[in-house]
Amino acid sequence: DAGVTQSPTHLIKTRGQQVTLRCSPKSGHDTVSWYQQALGQGPQFIFQYYEEEERQRGNFPDRFSGHQFPNYSSELNVNALLLGDSALYLCASSQTGRVSYEQYFGPGTRLTVT
Amino acid sequence: GQQLNQSPQSMFIQEGEDVSMNCTSSSIFNTWLWYKQDPGEGPVLLIALYKAGELTSNGRLTAQFGITRKDSFLNISASIPSDVGIYFCAGQPAGGTSYGKLTFGQGTILTVHP
Repeated sequence: DAGVTQSPTHLIKTRGQQVTLRCSPKSGHDTVSWYQQALGQGPQFIFQYYEEEERQRGNFPDRFSGHQFPNYSSELNVNALLLGDSALYLCASSQTGRVSYEQYFGPGTRLTVT
Repeated sequence: GQQLNQSPQSMFIQEGEDVSMNCTSSSIFNTWLWYKQDPGEGPVLLIALYKAGELTSNGRLTAQFGITRKDSFLNISASIPSDVGIYFCAGQPAGGTSYGKLTFGQGTILTVHP
């Protein structure tokens, strides 16, 4: 049973550039959430996608956008990168319903902005 | 926004000792989750709690959903070296507008000396 997968593993970008991160959910899951984890901190909720629409959003600027595809995979896009966007970006998948609170995380993408 | 206060921030214990950590909030939560994160990895779900007063075990781990719904506790019995890592509490705030939006604590860093 494949777990949550993310790509790429690591990424280095320059300030002002744009980046796209990808996530494939765990088999049987239909909901994808994205989190940003700064060094030494707990993950911070960015947004959640269900049925190809953004269902919930955290306190992140519009530079952060996403997409969910019919096969439930998802992308996170960040425009006009800032140095402060350097972090581990985590994707979590869950199944709609009572157990949707149980979110399963991928290994993350480490983004470094220089 | 919602904040979870997790304590202690770090623990240094001897192999075989029991460990206790907790998480508190100023507001009510519907669900409490406990995760473990190893360096360079995504958080791994350990235990999920859904009802006030609920006590749930997963091997040597036991977690409780506080009666007030504003706190949760995690205990690890007879610690072993592989318990080393960062433990995070996460909660699903009460209220329909927060559905699917997990809030994380700052983490407890556990070090186990053989």
